[in-house]
Amino acid sequence: GQQLNQSPQSMFIQEGEDVSMNCTSSSIFNTWLWYKQEPGEGPVLLIALYKAGELTSNGRLTAQFGITRKDSFLNISASIPSDVGIYFCAGQLNPGNTGKLIFGQGTTLQVKP
Amino acid sequence: EAEVAQSPRYKITEKSQAVAFWCDPISGHATLYWYRQILGQGPELLVQFQDESVVDDSQLPKDRFSAERLKGVDSTLKIQPAELGDSAMYLCASRGELAGGNNEQFFGPGTRLTVL
Repeated sequence: GQQLNQSPQSMFIQEGEDVSMNCTSSSIFNTWLWYKQEPGEGPVLLIALYKAGELTSNGRLTAQFGITRKDSFLNISASIPSDVGIYFCAGQLNPGNTGKLIFGQGTTLQVKP
Repeated sequence: EAEVAQSPRYKITEKSQAVAFWCDPISGHATLYWYRQILGQGPELLVQFQDESVVDDSQLPKDRFSAERLKGVDSTLKIQPAELGDSAMYLCASRGELAGGNNEQFFGPGTRLTVL
């Protein structure tokens, strides 16, 4: 099925470092969502973006909806061990209200205390 | 806090057997989704319901998979017969209908299926 290009695939960082990951697509999206998933659990919504250029923060997390509407990035500042998990971007491809999401392949984040 | 409920959390079955998964969305959410997530990949939509009606089942392998949401509340996803390649996490999500077309989907904890 269709998926977004998410990078990097994995990251291993030191506690306290900042993290950046991004998603790109050949298609235009009208909504971008970022989720975090821990082993054996479902994805948990972190941030939702609805307008091109929008910059939204949630605590130490900041995400932006790209101007071209074909990309988005997520930054995590001052990482802590509980940030460990898999981060997924998801875009809504179709206009209207069907809500179907297309997901990236995920970025696995590991934080060394 | 309202949550999407799923059961069972884990299921081990032998190939050719039938399996069923249950989902109870957040109260009042009209839209319900079933996704399949293969290890190491992002979730992929299998079927979407609006109330009791199927909106999108284009990616559902209809020869062996079926889904229903008879009263527009909880939903069941069935696989019969199960195949080795069906081993995956099956996720249910729901979305409320808010002004402005809010597209925030909330996921349940998933059912991890292993087919032997």
